[in-house]
Amino acid sequence: GAGVSQTPSNKVTEKGKYVELRCDPISGHTALYWYRQSLGQGPEFLIYFQGTGAADDSGLPNDRFFAVRPEGSVSTLKIQRTERGDSAVYLCASSLRGGQAYEQYFGPGTRLTVT
Amino acid sequence: KNEVEQSPQNLTAQEGEFITINCSYSVGISALHWLQQHPGGGIVSLFMLSSGKKKHGRLIATINIQEKHSSLHITASHPRDSAVYICAVFMNRDDKIIFGKGTRLHILP
Repeated sequence: GAGVSQTPSNKVTEKGKYVELRCDPISGHTALYWYRQSLGQGPEFLIYFQGTGAADDSGLPNDRFFAVRPEGSVSTLKIQRTERGDSAVYLCASSLRGGQAYEQYFGPGTRLTVT
Repeated sequence: KNEVEQSPQNLTAQEGEFITINCSYSVGISALHWLQQHPGGGIVSLFMLSSGKKKHGRLIATINIQEKHSSLHITASHPRDSAVYICAVFMNRDDKIIFGKGTRLHILP
């Protein structure tokens, strides 16, 4: 079946602009995670959804970052007033349920470049 | 000090060599994952461990909970094993996941 997909695969934007990154999880997966990976680093947790609600958003770096999952499937990560430091690969993962017992399946990522 | 440390950071080896990548962590965990990331970003989960040892093909993962240490071994390494290998732990206290920085492995033909 289809895996996790993310769009766009690449996004170049100017400093100060607004961007939206989309994640389509595996059908039936209730848990969805967003991570950010800077060059040469491991992924860094941003936010975790269980169903439609954000179960843990403690990884969002500041209030310019926001994510939604209104129907419990597709999720959108929104970044306002982008800064050059936001440049990274944004990864999405989904799992059947939340928590450590369930394997996470990763999407290919969206490479965001803020110029 | 990072809560999850991997070593080595970079490893180059000849095809056929036995490879060991190490992961040490300083927090209480409920599970540990080994992930593989190929150029271009795609991440694949290799193993999920909470105790003992798991084997899949040429890959073996072990974990010692008392010593807070895990190893990933690759037997009969092949150039297609070239990738970044990432250790990630689920923390006991809140199920939050923390990733290591990864080990970049390059297998020469």
